[in-house]
Amino acid sequence: KNEVEQSPQNLTAQEGEFITINCSYSVGISALHWLQQHPGGGIVSLFMLSSGKKKHGRLIATINIQEKHSSLHITASHPRDSAVYICAVAGNTGNQFYFGTGTSLTVIP
Amino acid sequence: DAGVTQSPTHLIKTRGQQVTLRCSPISGHKSVSWYQQVLGQGPQFIFQYYEKEERGRGNFPDRFSARQFPNYSSELNVNALLLGDSALYLCASSPWANQPQHFGDGTRLSIL
Repeated sequence: KNEVEQSPQNLTAQEGEFITINCSYSVGISALHWLQQHPGGGIVSLFMLSSGKKKHGRLIATINIQEKHSSLHITASHPRDSAVYICAVAGNTGNQFYFGTGTSLTVIP
Repeated sequence: DAGVTQSPTHLIKTRGQQVTLRCSPISGHKSVSWYQQVLGQGPQFIFQYYEKEERGRGNFPDRFSARQFPNYSSELNVNALLLGDSALYLCASSPWANQPQHFGDGTRLSIL
């Protein structure tokens, strides 16, 4: 069983749609990270959360510590948002990391 | 400012050989982490180093080792390479542990 589960695995959306990607985890964490990976491998850190909600442009990330669940929302999606989005958690000590398998998002013009 | 740089970008080895991958963190970052990403899967945590000491280790065999130098750059060594070691190896740095990480573009290792 994976410590971090993401859903959906694959997602296709029309440009402009509101998108939600979900992440559930089973371990105690000190922080949760949302990452974006484009074809070719480059990874960009989008958010690091330990509670509540963060917003950056069209991206919103929320976390519910009690339910061990986080969501990444993309408003007004655009084809350039097409990428793999990965949820990762840092364990309680902060020096163990667990990754989800990623959600592959394709936004169609 | 330069981002996290990794070298080489691509590498081809044969089974049984040894490989060394290198990572230079962002200037001022003291924490370096290594990850393995097999094609089609999410990354797997290998090591974290902070202030030249190992602070975390994932579930990888002893064939995998790493070190961090006084300038905070790091090397990942893999001995006795197996076909299953073929992957993208990612390095990430942060100012200190448990901070947002900045990733390099990775080293793609192919084992023949």
